[in-house]
Amino acid sequence: AQSVTQLDSHVSVSEGTPVLLRCNYSSSYSPSLFWYVQHPNKGLQLLLKYTSAATLVKGINGFEAEFKKSETSFHLTKPSAHMSDAAEYFCVVSAPAGNKLTFGGGTRVLVKP
Amino acid sequence: NAGVMQNPRHLVRRRGQEARLRCSPMKGHSHVYWYRQLPEEGLKFMVYLQKENIIDESGMPKERFSAEFPKEGPSILRIQQVVRGDSAAYFCASSPPGQGAGSQPQHFGDGTRLSIL
Repeated sequence: AQSVTQLDSHVSVSEGTPVLLRCNYSSSYSPSLFWYVQHPNKGLQLLLKYTSAATLVKGINGFEAEFKKSETSFHLTKPSAHMSDAAEYFCVVSAPAGNKLTFGGGTRVLVKP
Repeated sequence: NAGVMQNPRHLVRRRGQEARLRCSPMKGHSHVYWYRQLPEEGLKFMVYLQKENIIDESGMPKERFSAEFPKEGPSILRIQQVVRGDSAAYFCASSPPGQGAGSQPQHFGDGTRLSIL
């Protein structure tokens, strides 16, 4: 069994300041972890994935995430927020050889000018 | 290379009618997944199909919902006798053949927004 908890339902940042989106997971095996972004009325776009290689994963648009097994966390960060980063972000887990994705509840990011 | 195509983008049905949602996977992808997103929630897995086979339908409601992915043509998610609670966004994703989501990430369509009057 696996589950994902996103600790903040909403995050508000000013443009140009860092963004931190927190995610904790629960899994009975070494999971694959993903971050997806969803812009309004659109599908989901993959930002990055972790699959047991390097624990610091770099993604698109300047985002990165660090896998910490001891803390069962996979937090997403970006050094400097842009207005176009306003969207909903989902932390997602799957079994390594599995195909079913389990989603967190999402974090809605607001970027203030 | 076109992405995952879903149609219609918006679908309105009255209670008791049938809803048919279509999904064409990306070229070269033979695995299709359906997810449902209720308002203010994350996506919930419904069903995983390969051509002509249902691999995992553990997230599908036992009644009124069915899915298929025929040898030719798009995947279809069918909801019979719709009720208000079926109102949601339904997303399709696809991936190429391979060992799991870790090696073959899923690519999502823009979804079908289903509204039940």
